[in-house]
Amino acid sequence: ETGVTQSPTHLIKTRGQQVTLRCSSQSGHNTVSWYQQALGQGPQFIFQYYREEENGRGNFPPRFSGLQFPNYSSELNVNALELDDSALYLCASSLGQGLMNTEAFFGQGTRLTVV
Amino acid sequence: AQRVTQPEKLLSVFKGAPVELKCNYSYSGSPELFWYVQYSRQRLQLLLRHISRESIKGFTADLNKGETSFHLKKPFAQEEDSAMYYCALRRSSNTGKLIFGQGTTLQVKP
Repeated sequence: ETGVTQSPTHLIKTRGQQVTLRCSSQSGHNTVSWYQQALGQGPQFIFQYYREEENGRGNFPPRFSGLQFPNYSSELNVNALELDDSALYLCASSLGQGLMNTEAFFGQGTRLTVV
Repeated sequence: AQRVTQPEKLLSVFKGAPVELKCNYSYSGSPELFWYVQYSRQRLQLLLRHISRESIKGFTADLNKGETSFHLKKPFAQEEDSAMYYCALRRSSNTGKLIFGQGTTLQVKP
């Protein structure tokens, strides 16, 4: 059984650019959630995908978007990067079965720096 | 709005001393509560969840709905317990959305 993997581990981008972060969910999991963790803060929920559909969104602007693929891997896209987007981005996968969700397993994160 | 508050950013204790990491939440319904831990250079991982009512690595946490608290306790701290601890709330099991507190760094001194 493989765990949650994220790529890349580190990334530096310039303000105004676009970035794509990737996440492979744990084997057997069909739900992926993305979180932003600023320095010294707890993770903040961005959105969740369940069976390729967005299934919940936090308080983030539309320039944060995502995709989930048939193999349940996922991408987080951020357009028009701002300095405040610099953070650790975490992906978590779980098994959603209708009304039930199992515990979430987290990836190691992607550290994004916007300069 | 749902919120999780961890009032202490840093808790420093000596080895063998009791530990209590505080967590308070605001939510009008019946949430699920979790404690996550992040050891140095490792990923965030689940420590325990209130519905399991189990003890993991000597840690326990009891959900007190009257006081809206979910404090994490261990009677005798070990050096290997040094880590960042996050309390998190999930509104119900039909969503994966976790609301995290700001985290408490536990430092266990020898």
